[in-house]
Amino acid sequence: GQQVMQIPQYQHVQEGEDFTTYCNSSTTLSNIQWYKQRPGGHPVFLIQLVKSGEVKKQKRLTFQFGEAKKNSSLHITATQTTDVGTYFCAARVNAGNMLTFGGGTRLMVKP
Amino acid sequence: NAGVTQTPKFQVLKTGQSMTLQCAQDMNHNSMYWYRQDPGMGLRLIYYSASEGTTDKGEVPNGYNVSRLNKREFSLRLESAAPSQTSVYFCASGTTDTQYFGPGTRLTVL
Repeated sequence: GQQVMQIPQYQHVQEGEDFTTYCNSSTTLSNIQWYKQRPGGHPVFLIQLVKSGEVKKQKRLTFQFGEAKKNSSLHITATQTTDVGTYFCAARVNAGNMLTFGGGTRLMVKP
Repeated sequence: NAGVTQTPKFQVLKTGQSMTLQCAQDMNHNSMYWYRQDPGMGLRLIYYSASEGTTDKGEVPNGYNVSRLNKREFSLRLESAAPSQTSVYFCASGTTDTQYFGPGTRLTVL
């Protein structure tokens, strides 16, 4: 079964509103990554979090890694139409050379 | 510096036909990956290659074969295509810390 759960699946927001997507795992993660996929495009790496409680910012995007390293969040402040797309978290769940992706959160922004 | 390239971009097959999806990277990465993405779904790993000469199964390997031709190239073969293999296929290279994706191949099996 899916070992990295992501919620919500979809989110409609009005331009200017905030948006948050959450990623949860039942196991402790060594790191977590976030990717963005524009409609019709391919996933693009955004950031990696490694340390417990880590917070990183990229302009209007804030990424957090939970203290127990079992969950993460991506928060976008004051969404813009350019933020439209699907946001995926990904983590190495088991030892090895594989990433497991969450199901993604599709963000739609009404202008 | 093209990154990860994939060919073809689009393909339509009939059930039972075979084809090979090509992927190449110019970033000198050891590891390469093949994923499939079904409508509205996340990415599922089909096969990966941790280094030249090695390949390993991912989450959904049935119906596929792969070849790591050299460090740059990693191909995915469908021997007898089925409608359930209709999907978008992404190749990626990198590590478990960062992966770089190609533009994808949109495959329809009728």
